[in-house]
Amino acid sequence: DTAVSQTPKYLVTQMGNDKSIKCEQNLGHDTMYWYKQDSKKFLKIMFSYNNKELIINETVPNRFSPKSPDKAHLNLHINSLELGDSAVYFCASSQGQGINQPQHFGDGTRLSIL
Amino acid sequence: DAKTTQPNSMESNEEEPVHLPCNHSTISGTDYIHWYRQLPSQGPEYVIHGLTSNVNNRMASLAIAEDRKSSTLILHRATLRDAAVYYCTVMDSSYKLIFGSGTRLLVRP
Repeated sequence: DTAVSQTPKYLVTQMGNDKSIKCEQNLGHDTMYWYKQDSKKFLKIMFSYNNKELIINETVPNRFSPKSPDKAHLNLHINSLELGDSAVYFCASSQGQGINQPQHFGDGTRLSIL
Repeated sequence: DAKTTQPNSMESNEEEPVHLPCNHSTISGTDYIHWYRQLPSQGPEYVIHGLTSNVNNRMASLAIAEDRKSSTLILHRATLRDAAVYYCTVMDSSYKLIFGSGTRLLVRP
């Protein structure tokens, strides 16, 4: 069983479109995250939710909107996609939001904007 | 946010130990040191974390300097499957993992 699963694995779309990426974890964790890894391979946190409540919101364009329907799911909706949004997006989860909590990552969604 | 500095790349022979260094000179007293690795086309994988004392688990050991300004991840016997980018990160009370550019480990058969 995959612990943190993301769909789709690949997403190719045109500039200006709206798209969503879904994430589900079956680890019973309370905290979930979205990260972006750009072409230079730098991983940067975007958002974090703890028990469906937003706790980290980095400087991300408001075209990006996370939604957590329950603590096992954290989806990412992106409006008006731009070329610079091309990246790999990783979802992660941890048992809680403590500073000694390991994070478990999904295998990523590779988003390509044409 | 505490920053980390790692060598861009390192090489090792299979079955030999590997010591991956990391500097985190701006670390604060309660910040934890976390190590992750990323295999090609996969998400980061948790390796180990620690605060002050050295730590061991089934994957690796973490040696933390007494002043906590540096740490070393030790893979006791490198295998080809250990070839990956290894990230040293510091987590503070903001609960954010700040990833640097990592060390690309090449394991020679």
